[in-house]
Amino acid sequence: GENVEQHPSTLSVQEGDSAVIKCTYSDSASNYFPWYKQELGKGPQLIIDIRSNVGEKKDQRIAVTLNKTAKHFSLHITETQPEDSAVYFCAASIPNNNDMRFGAGTRLTVKP
Amino acid sequence: ETGVTQSPTHLIKTRGQQVTLRCSSQSGHNTVSWYQQALGQGPQFIFQYYREEENGRGNFPPRFSGLQFPNYSSELNVNALELDDSALYLCASSLDTTGGYGYTFGSGTRLTVV
Repeated sequence: GENVEQHPSTLSVQEGDSAVIKCTYSDSASNYFPWYKQELGKGPQLIIDIRSNVGEKKDQRIAVTLNKTAKHFSLHITETQPEDSAVYFCAASIPNNNDMRFGAGTRLTVKP
Repeated sequence: ETGVTQSPTHLIKTRGQQVTLRCSSQSGHNTVSWYQQALGQGPQFIFQYYREEENGRGNFPPRFSGLQFPNYSSELNVNALELDDSALYLCASSLDTTGGYGYTFGSGTRLTVV
């Protein structure tokens, strides 16, 4: 089945710096890759996603890149702010499979 | 448009007991998936419900069972609770069964088994 690995497990940056979180997946049939942000005491919230027919997608300060050949995708946050501090999860979804596999999460801390 | 609501928010049970967790899906979403999130880990797929039937299951034993109702709301039942069942249980609703349009998660039910 699909296996998703996420790195790093923790990341600390200064406000205004960029943050990059990387994930790899194992099943080449995976075609949908969402990123979720989870704040303390809340459920994961979808922040951006990308499909396998696209290499990059951007939404304001957040961007996601996908390399299908290498089976990895990354989340980029620019101009980080303290409110970006949270746990971020990547995930991969396989067509005709109702199971979305999540990475183990990255705890991002943005220091003011 | 209402989001996903889960109840209760917190629950403490004794080993061997049974528990029922509830979820109301987001308006317009017909599919509900349940996930278990252990402390410091990513969510793990338990099962999915679509058209009131189980539509996919992860690596969880049969003592984890569920229901979906005609209004798309859902229940997760766990029998013979074990200490390792202590976790955050997340319900996610979606527009279709593939999750290809993203999931909307509830805030979860924190279950503690003592």
